Amino acid sequence: EPEVTQTPSHQVTQMGQEVILRCVPISNHLYFYWYRQILGQKVEFLVSFYNNEISEKSEIFDDQFSVERPDGSNFTLKIRSTKLEDSAMYFCAILPKTSLNTEAFFGQGTRLTVV
Amino acid sequence: ELKVEQNPLFLSMQEGKNYTIYCNYSTTSDRLYWYRQDPGKSLESLFVLLSNGAVKQEGRLMASLDTKARLSTLHITAAVHDLSATYFCAVDNNDMRFGAGTRLTVKP
Repeated sequence: EPEVTQTPSHQVTQMGQEVILRCVPISNHLYFYWYRQILGQKVEFLVSFYNNEISEKSEIFDDQFSVERPDGSNFTLKIRSTKLEDSAMYFCAILPKTSLNTEAFFGQGTRLTVV
Repeated sequence: ELKVEQNPLFLSMQEGKNYTIYCNYSTTSDRLYWYRQDPGKSLESLFVLLSNGAVKQEGRLMASLDTKARLSTLHITAAVHDLSATYFCAVDNNDMRFGAGTRLTVKP
């Protein structure tokens, strides 16, 4: 059973539309992250969450982006007014709460295509 | 801002050969990760290194960490084709930043 489940696996949206990407961590976690990866390129940090607050955010994470925890368990990444260049894989990751001596686990990703 | 640099970015190896991937980072950190990514897939954890001098080995891969030099290495021993993938290091300072990745191709 994966530690983190992301939905949808693939989303196609029209430019200018809003999209919501979802992430459900299975276990209790300490830190929560969102990343994006443009095809074949590096994994870019967007934002981290700690104690239900944004801990760090990158220069990419501007007003177009927001993160929420709508029901206390899953996390959402909202992208307002999508642009063509937002097309990428979006990954969430968790650092489990059980131990600091462990790696961060990644979800399988959501492929966002903006047309 | 934490910066993470990996080299080489591309690596083509013959099966049976050894090689090392390097990961330098710019600020102190207490946690460094190595991940593997196959094309079209997510990131698979290989190692987490937490202290200076830490060395971990799994099969043909061995990772080490020198926090004073801000350097981690991923050593590949007697490469096989199944190791072909992209390898990323990531340094965690509350914002887990990734290196650019090393695309490894192991040829027969």
